[in-house]
Amino acid sequence: GAVVSQHPSRVICKSGTSVKIECRSLDFQATTMFWYRQFPKQSLMLMATSNEGSKATYEQGVEKDKFLINHASLTLSTLTVTSAHPEDSSFYICSAAGFRYGYTFGSGTRLTVV
Amino acid sequence: AQSVSQHNHHVILSEAASLELGCNYSYGGTVNLFWYVQYPGQHLQLLLKYFSGDPLVKGIKGFEAEFIKSKFSFNLRKPSVQWSDTAEYFCAVTPASNFGNEKLTFGTGTRLTIIP
Repeated sequence: GAVVSQHPSRVICKSGTSVKIECRSLDFQATTMFWYRQFPKQSLMLMATSNEGSKATYEQGVEKDKFLINHASLTLSTLTVTSAHPEDSSFYICSAAGFRYGYTFGSGTRLTVV
Repeated sequence: AQSVSQHNHHVILSEAASLELGCNYSYGGTVNLFWYVQYPGQHLQLLLKYFSGDPLVKGIKGFEAEFIKSKFSFNLRKPSVQWSDTAEYFCAVTPASNFGNEKLTFGTGTRLTIIP
């Protein structure tokens, strides 16, 4: 089956610094990847849709300058949280869409900003 | 735009009890439907999906779901639950017409607690 690798799984950073999260589809090509944010005991909220070779489409209320998304290839998308603040602490999850496998999710990244 | 409702926020059952979790969606066209499970401390895993064909879909770990188009429902069922089924369950929908490019819309989730 399809596998999506997300790295790192946990990261702690100081307020004001930037953090990059990688999402890779390991055995299939994903023209579209999705970035979600999940608050404790809540559902996943879509942040942005990432298409290979083009600008990401952000959901309403998501700051595109704060959450930079790059989809450089058919197997890699990155989310960079710039100038992180404690309120950015959350669980970030990526998902890659492949026709045969549906939507496959990465294992998530728990970001803690101190 | 599509939306998903999961009316059961927290379900508590004893082992061997039967399970049914409700999922209703709203969308004017053809949809693809999914159930995902998130075990404590783990990432989302696909339980089952419906694209087309037989509306009764069987997934992993003994779960099944039935798509009832007239009711816009896709309820998840399991005849006999186990303690290991304790998890958060999410129903999700996406338009079928542009699969792979459209976002998944999730329900708010149902927390299932199984008492040994």
